[in-house]
Amino acid sequence: NAGVTQTPKFRVLKTGQSMTLLCAQDMNHEYMYWYRQDPGMGLRLIHYSVGEGTTAKGEVPDGYNVSRLKKQNFLLGLESAAPSQTSVYFCATLRPGRMNTEAFFGQGTRLTVV
Amino acid sequence: GENVEQHPSTLSVQEGDSAVIKCTYSDSASNYFPWYKQELGKRPQLIIDIRSNVGEKKDQRIAVTLNKTAKHFSLHITETQPEDSAVYFCAASMTLNTGGFKTIFGAGTRLFVKA
Repeated sequence: NAGVTQTPKFRVLKTGQSMTLLCAQDMNHEYMYWYRQDPGMGLRLIHYSVGEGTTAKGEVPDGYNVSRLKKQNFLLGLESAAPSQTSVYFCATLRPGRMNTEAFFGQGTRLTVV
Repeated sequence: GENVEQHPSTLSVQEGDSAVIKCTYSDSASNYFPWYKQELGKRPQLIIDIRSNVGEKKDQRIAVTLNKTAKHFSLHITETQPEDSAVYFCAASMTLNTGGFKTIFGAGTRLFVKA
């Protein structure tokens, strides 16, 4: 049981290049999220999904696209990378419960755009 | 849009003292308030949470309080230890009309516990 796995862990992109970050979960959770974490800004929600085939915009969606073709995978795409997208990206899944609702985070992807 | 404000951004305490981190949220529809601890270079991990129908919850040295009227919630750590040093995030979560959930995080508080 790996939980939430992000691929890759590190990446350096040149401005204008594209890439896709993969988030895979083996917990059968419906809800998946992509966050970016910047110093002093905390975790900001980029996009999220409440189930297979559905996606929605979060706080900072511009410059990113997502897809949830399979329940276990949530992909985050950067079509044309910009230096402002240099950040650490976290994927998370949510397990709703009657007593508590817990988010499970991946290990993070450190992206640098030069 | 929804907003979660967290204060202070940095907190330094002496080992054994208490630490308090406060958050406010804007959306009255928020009904679940988790707190996460993130150690350097690691992923955030849930340490405690509270639902909107409860005013206080305690787990050993950690407690959370919630004032729904004022839209405030706080994290209290007693008898702090050096291993409590980390960044702490509050969050406010709401159930969506679609049946899903959305969670907004505060900016984080960097806690230093001096031995």
